[in-house]
Amino acid sequence: GAGVSQSPSNKVTEKGKDVELRCDPISGHTALYWYRQRLGQGLEFLIYFQGNSAPDKSGLPSDRFSAERTGESVSTLTIQRTQQEDSAVYLCASIGLAGYETQYFGPGTRLLVL
Amino acid sequence: RKEVEQDPGPFNVPEGATVAFNCTYSNSASQSFFWYRQDCRKEPKLLMSVYSSGNEDGRFTAQLNRASQYISLLIRDSKLSDSATYLCVVNDNAGNMLTFGGGTRLMVKP
Repeated sequence: GAGVSQSPSNKVTEKGKDVELRCDPISGHTALYWYRQRLGQGLEFLIYFQGNSAPDKSGLPSDRFSAERTGESVSTLTIQRTQQEDSAVYLCASIGLAGYETQYFGPGTRLLVL
Repeated sequence: RKEVEQDPGPFNVPEGATVAFNCTYSNSASQSFFWYRQDCRKEPKLLMSVYSSGNEDGRFTAQLNRASQYISLLIRDSKLSDSATYLCVVNDNAGNMLTFGGGTRLMVKP
């Protein structure tokens, strides 16, 4: 595709429900990142996938958060037992080559937990 | 200390003004540097890369000072459309880990 896509674009859920967010990176991009951005705040790193290496999960805020990536394609971010503080925009980004390439962001998924 | 620090602003400037943002980073091994722009309720988009020798793109000039570990962005002749949050981004290269600053908000007024 021409860019990074994410779905759904908006998600409203009830506290305690599980949600799954999807990211389709740019074809051929080996690295994929998930970030969280609360309203009026900066980007908060969550997890990073690079090729077939073990993902860097150091940014996941709790064990309710998990992410998977199939090869060098689609990634899903799952939030279990959602809490109101999980409400944020979840941004996915991909990058082609290590070093001097830039990240391209998807439009994000706006999650609202009621 | 945060790895990448920026003054959150907001910077309120009149149209036509020149405004400069600084960003400091803590990892001396960082290799790549970028400025991103983020409009309200939109995803960040690359504004420009920052090269060691400094680089210019129209009204925008980016500079890197490795000795002092800071990056700057200068905007000349500000336009209303420049109003946005400007994010400083540092790549440590070793693991391709990008670290974002918290962003500096710019508001250009008529």
